[in-house]
Amino acid sequence: DSGVTQTPKHLITATGQRVTLRCSPRSGDLSVYWYQQSLDQGLQFLIQYYNGEERAKGNILERFSAQQFPDLHSELNLSSLELGDSALYFCASSFRGGGNTEAFFGQGTRLTVV
Amino acid sequence: TQLLEQSPQFLSIQEGENLTVYCNSSSVFSSLQWYRQEPGEGPVLLVTVVTGGEVKKLKRLTFQFGDARKDSSLHITAAQPGDTGLYLCAFSGSRLTFGEGTQLTVNP
Repeated sequence: DSGVTQTPKHLITATGQRVTLRCSPRSGDLSVYWYQQSLDQGLQFLIQYYNGEERAKGNILERFSAQQFPDLHSELNLSSLELGDSALYFCASSFRGGGNTEAFFGQGTRLTVV
Repeated sequence: TQLLEQSPQFLSIQEGENLTVYCNSSSVFSSLQWYRQEPGEGPVLLVTVVTGGEVKKLKRLTFQFGDARKDSSLHITAAQPGDTGLYLCAFSGSRLTFGEGTQLTVNP
């Protein structure tokens, strides 16, 4: 158990819909990262927050947004969903925001868009 | 262009064989990390290598950081089916960036 909690574990929704994925970081960790992993592909970095502020942005679509709340949990919002958004979405947390930091991953949310 | 290039992309071997997977880049890194991801799970950190030329051992796994700190390798001795998984190298800079990974299958 990494200490990072992601909910829900599975999500099936229709095209055009909007969903929210939730992540609770390990106790004491200030940074949260979001990644997308499509079938047989590596981890694509979406966005990182540190202590409530956006720290780094990757290949995140405009239809996607995220935030980190004062209690440090984070939510990833995906809207106008398309079939190609079907993937595993992982959240990771670390104490520091960068530079040789060790990240701990949740078990992921498997999103299926039908 | 990937910052971190991993090879091979896929590797299928028999139990008991040895193997090496590679992580290469044209960039110099202050450190590199290796993660293993099992199906349906999140990646788990195996090791961080920091010093050029450094060798770290984790049971049957040996990790090496290149002298120039541009590349790293992971050698597994006497592979077991439990070693099956996706092996990812990563660089933790302003963001945590992963290579595409090596999918290892160890057959009984």
